[in-house]
Amino acid sequence: EPEVTQTPSHQVTQMGQEVILRCVPISNHLYFYWYRQILGQKVEFLVSFYNNEISEKSEIFDDQFSVERPDGSNFTLKIRSTKLEDSAMYFCASSVPRQGSGELFFGEGSRLTVL
Amino acid sequence: AQSVSQHNHHVILSEAASLELGCNYSYGGTVNLFWYVQYPGQHLQLLLKYFSGDPLVKGIKGFEAEFIKSKFSFNLRKPSVQWSDTAEYFCAVRGNSGNTPLVFGKGTRLSVIA
Repeated sequence: EPEVTQTPSHQVTQMGQEVILRCVPISNHLYFYWYRQILGQKVEFLVSFYNNEISEKSEIFDDQFSVERPDGSNFTLKIRSTKLEDSAMYFCASSVPRQGSGELFFGEGSRLTVL
Repeated sequence: AQSVSQHNHHVILSEAASLELGCNYSYGGTVNLFWYVQYPGQHLQLLLKYFSGDPLVKGIKGFEAEFIKSKFSFNLRKPSVQWSDTAEYFCAVRGNSGNTPLVFGKGTRLSVIA
């Protein structure tokens, strides 16, 4: 069964460092997403991406964040200068677009710990 | 703006007990509704979804949910839980136009004890 894969599974970084989280969506999917879950809190939408551009982003997704699809398979989330409050589990998801009803398939998540 | 409320933070049940997890949403339009489950150490998996039609939807592993439009609710049920149902359960909603983001509730942790 096709699945979304994410690397690394866990990354520890110092505050102020740049972090890149990588995702390989399901191959025939066209919409890509990043969500995050701070420990003990709900899963929050960060950004959606379609046709090589951001289609929607939340208030959380400020200038510190960027996304990229550098080749035909990877979808990356970059945090330029990490803060303590960026510590969270980051989930990538992908979907085949149907009119507002496409199921999202999630990866296992990348845990980011900022010290 | 869309929002989802899950009123139970942590539910503890004995095996074979019946389960109902509450979910209410706020959205000014037609919605699609989802329940996702996250087993310990694993990724989010879809349990069931409602798009249209019969408001009682059946999902995997014996779960079902009922969409009650007048109450803006989409409660998850299972008649008899098993120890393996121990997990975090997330209700989610998205608008039915375009590709609006999926908005999650805070989740309900279910612990099933023998």
